[in-house]
Amino acid sequence: SAVISQKPSRDICQRGTSLTIQCQVDSQVTMMFWYRQQPGQSLTLIATANQGSEATYESGFVIDKFPISRPNLTFSTLTVSNMSPEDSSIYLCSVTGGGSQETQYFGPGTRLLVL
Amino acid sequence: DQQVKQNSPSLSVQEGRISILNCDYTNSMFDYFLWYKKYPAEGPTFLISISSIKDKNEDGRFTVFLNKSAKHLSLHIVPSQPGDSAVYFCAASPGTGANNLFFGTGTRLTVIP
Repeated sequence: SAVISQKPSRDICQRGTSLTIQCQVDSQVTMMFWYRQQPGQSLTLIATANQGSEATYESGFVIDKFPISRPNLTFSTLTVSNMSPEDSSIYLCSVTGGGSQETQYFGPGTRLLVL
Repeated sequence: DQQVKQNSPSLSVQEGRISILNCDYTNSMFDYFLWYKKYPAEGPTFLISISSIKDKNEDGRFTVFLNKSAKHLSLHIVPSQPGDSAVYFCAASPGTGANNLFFGTGTRLTVIP
């Protein structure tokens, strides 16, 4: 299994500002994923981040709003830009692994509140 | 359009009894299904998975059943323990791996001592 850490664990931000969330994995992985979980909702995939290439964004998410960096095989960042209260969510990063029972391993999440 | 649905937002069960969590899906291309457990302030943790070539997979107290014709899967926890109290998410993938997961909205399980 993979051990994933995220920083910050939580933050309160003012509208119009930006926040960068860091995700660190204890092993090298090819694909990293960024999710958003809005209150009472399911986990929604924002984008897939591969090292050395542009992130692939899901429908409804754009690079200008959620720029992603993936400088190496153990680290990625997600920036939430020009925040509004609607961006208040839990943001999670994950990686795949697990061999025969393949799964995604998740970080603890970053709880964001935008005022 | 929610392709994976968990219609029960919450479930309460007595300790020692069976917990049954249900999940329905609409996409017939889903081939691989997973259950996750999530405690507050933590990320989801993997519990158990099943591929579409099976109808049952068991791991200790956890068993997942898949009914492909009904597009329905369930997670059975026997016996239920207070530490099982958490939110349980069902997820599905159109491939054989876990690179493209669609999640349900979760069911909050409370196991009463």
